[in-house]
Amino acid sequence: GQSLEQPSEVTAVEGAIVQINCTYQTSGFYGLSWYQQHDGGAPTFLSYNGLDGLEETGRFSSFLSRSDSYGYLLLQELQMKDSASYFCAVRQTGANNLFFGTGTRLTVIP
Amino acid sequence: EAQVTQNPRYLITVTGKKLTVTCSQNMNHEYMSWYRQDPGLGLRQIYYSMNVEVTDKGDVPEGYKVSRKEKRNFPLILESPSPNQTSLYFCASSFAGSNTEAFFGQGTRLTVV
Repeated sequence: GQSLEQPSEVTAVEGAIVQINCTYQTSGFYGLSWYQQHDGGAPTFLSYNGLDGLEETGRFSSFLSRSDSYGYLLLQELQMKDSASYFCAVRQTGANNLFFGTGTRLTVIP
Repeated sequence: EAQVTQNPRYLITVTGKKLTVTCSQNMNHEYMSWYRQDPGLGLRQIYYSMNVEVTDKGDVPEGYKVSRKEKRNFPLILESPSPNQTSLYFCASSFAGSNTEAFFGQGTRLTVV
């Protein structure tokens, strides 16, 4: 089986930095992905980490430590439009299905 | 425009009345899947398909059927819907491979009364 744990809610101030953590347990592991979902919308892809280390895409960065079964999404210079739910997801070896965590609802306040 | 299209967007039906939610993608993706989203439970996979005529169960397949007769289409069938299948459903597609981005449809909000 597999499980992913992430905080259910995070609140941060506009302009600040926030980190959303994800720990996973899985029988096989290809890599960790992050998706963003605004209320009423569909999930959209943010980033993927297949190897240990940091991946940076603009204001968003994602980190993976395979030895710790841990990753995080870092959002910098927070904007009000970043208020959304963020999901970590894993692809398992031997299968191509994408398994999602329960999501972290980020609220950005002025 | 590259997209995944689901229909209908909203559906209210009665217990036991068979329904089909369609999903179509225009990106020539091999991989397609269905998820349901419920408050506090995230996205749970129902079924997925690696390619035409290849389907497999996800984490919550009970009460659902799928078919993949063509590469672009992956319909979700509820033969006898029940109220516990009231949920928000998403179809997704991607190329095969571990690092590929999954593209999601806009969702179908299903209510079974």
